[in-house]
Amino acid sequence: EAGVAQSPRYKIIEKRQSVAFWCNPISGHATLYWYQQILGQGPKLLIQFQNNGVVDDSQLPKDRFSAERLKGVDSTLKIQPAKLEDSAVYLCASSFIAGGGNEQYFGPGTRLTVT
Amino acid sequence: LAKTTQPISMDSYEGQEVNITCSHNNIATNDYITWYQQFPSQGPRFIIQGYKTKVTNEVASLFIPADRKSSTLSLPRVSLSDTAVYYCLVGPPLSSASKIIFGSGTRLSIRP
Repeated sequence: EAGVAQSPRYKIIEKRQSVAFWCNPISGHATLYWYQQILGQGPKLLIQFQNNGVVDDSQLPKDRFSAERLKGVDSTLKIQPAKLEDSAVYLCASSFIAGGGNEQYFGPGTRLTVT
Repeated sequence: LAKTTQPISMDSYEGQEVNITCSHNNIATNDYITWYQQFPSQGPRFIIQGYKTKVTNEVASLFIPADRKSSTLSLPRVSLSDTAVYYCLVGPPLSSASKIIFGSGTRLSIRP
């Protein structure tokens, strides 16, 4: 079974530029998550989709971050304009809703450096 | 939301059993306890999950006392490759609009 795919793996941009990350979840997984992980900290949930609808985006900085999950499969997270404090690893995860449990499958992440 | 508290770091030696305890005093009735492992430059990986008593899989055991206010992840006979950060999460099943909160985790270092 293929895992969660993310691209690019690394990205370096200057502040005020824009950037987009792509995620393809495991086939059949209805729920998709985007996390931000700053060095030395645990992942912080930015947004959660179930199929193509948003379940929770309470921690997404909506003035600069946006995310979409067209057709309920792959997803894109965008930052525009980027700030220095956005430097982090952006993780995508997916899960299969089967009536219980909290098992998420994570991708390798995209390391963003904003200079 | 159930807040979790776990040690910032732990050290051990190869071949030893390692127990990492997580406190979650305000766990709710429908909350599960889930543990993840994260290596550098990788996303977290699911290790084990439980609701009550004891759960065991090929990687670890999870002990949950009757009051469910804490849980202990047990790693038998650790090796150098078990050096990683371990996260304890408490929350309702993902089928609901659950708030997912990772703490800072426990940084486990295994020495030869």
